[in-house]
Amino acid sequence: SYELTQPPSVSVSPGQTASITCSGDKLGDKYACWYQQKPGQSPVLVIYQDNKRPSGIPERFSGSSSGNTATLSISGTQATDEADYYCQAWDFSTLVVFGGGTKLTVL
Amino acid sequence: QVHLQESGPGLVKPSETLTLICTVSGDSVSSYYWSWIRQPPGKGLEWIGFVHNIGSTNSNPTLRTRVTVSVDTSKNQFSLRLASMTAADTAVYYCARGPRDGYSQAFDYWGQGTLVTVSS
Repeated sequence: SYELTQPPSVSVSPGQTASITCSGDKLGDKYACWYQQKPGQSPVLVIYQDNKRPSGIPERFSGSSSGNTATLSISGTQATDEADYYCQAWDFSTLVVFGGGTKLTVL
Repeated sequence: QVHLQESGPGLVKPSETLTLICTVSGDSVSSYYWSWIRQPPGKGLEWIGFVHNIGSTNSNPTLRTRVTVSVDTSKNQFSLRLASMTAADTAVYYCARGPRDGYSQAFDYWGQGTLVTVSS
């Protein structure tokens, strides 16, 4: 079955750029999307198709993908960006796959 | 604005079958795929299954023998049945719109989630 791997945690200072990675076999040949989940809330889609932002998502959120890794970047990180972030991809055998999630801490 | 709302029991006994309903407003369940996703306490997201009004359904291979997802267009709802519940099925269950073809199979709207606890 297809698997996506994320670091359990990432820390960033306010105003700096946070980068969260998601690794999977030939992930660059698929599309990745990203969700933000704050405590007690439902996930929110922040990036789809590797680098597209849904309406209402700040430009600070961007995505990229190449080889086996997709990356979510948050520029000018704010305290309100502190949350869990999940990557997700579609695999034709496993279908919907989520990464294990990354807790972003803004120090 | 699309809104999804889960409903169902908060407590299920081991070996019983869980039935959850998702009521959709602001969109028609006749369009798109609709999914169930769960999250055990303190853990990550797990996709359970999806349904489309045209009769297409599919589910997570690890749950496939226990999962039934169906749609009721007359009520604009879709539902989940998960059989043979165990403590490992304790989780917050979300309904969501997707996977979306134009969104690289992402889920663009989610319900607020409902906690289901399996205990005797």
